Amino acid sequence: GAVVSQHPSWVICKSGTSVKIECRSLDFQATTMFWYRQFPKQSLMLMATSNEGSKATYEQGVEKDKFLINHASLTLSTLTVTSAHPEDSSFYICSARDGGGSSYNSPLHFGNGTRLTVT
Amino acid sequence: RKEVEQDPGPFNVPEGATVAFNCTYSNSASQSFFWYRQDCRKEPKLLMSVYSSGNEDGRFTAQLNRASQYISLLIRDSKLSDSATYLCVVIWTTGNQFYFGTGTSLTVIP
Repeated sequence: GAVVSQHPSWVICKSGTSVKIECRSLDFQATTMFWYRQFPKQSLMLMATSNEGSKATYEQGVEKDKFLINHASLTLSTLTVTSAHPEDSSFYICSARDGGGSSYNSPLHFGNGTRLTVT
Repeated sequence: RKEVEQDPGPFNVPEGATVAFNCTYSNSASQSFFWYRQDCRKEPKLLMSVYSSGNEDGRFTAQLNRASQYISLLIRDSKLSDSATYLCVVIWTTGNQFYFGTGTSLTVIP
């Protein structure tokens, strides 16, 4: 089945540093990938839609200059949390759909998530 | 109104019980429907798709009611390992517009 790989699984960094998270579709091409954030005991929140070869689409309230998204190829999207602060500590998850979203019955496949702790 | 609304939960049920969750959606043009399971501190994993005619996978039954715009998930003979948060996902006809329910927490008690 379709697999989405996310790296790293967890990261601890100091306040002010930047952290890059990678999301790869391993056996399919994804023109679109999605980035989420989930705080403890809360639901998934879509942060942005990453589009291969073009700018990402950010959800309302998500700072595009803080959360930089790059989707340089059909199998890789990256999320960089710039100048991270403790309030950015969260569980970040990516997802993608096989077929690039053209198949309505294709489910979303999620990466294993990245637990970010900013000290 | 939210695009997708889900039973708030939490549901605490004894082992062996039958439990059902509902998820309503607001857009009649919604095309595809899925149930996901999310364990604590893990990513959501696909549990099952929801087909128009309803579908079953072992102890799990998913149903779609387009007229009333809701999907349901029924779990029979609950196991301790069923304890998790269950998310419904609705995808609109454009294919890249999708919405999550907030999730329903299920705890199966011995």
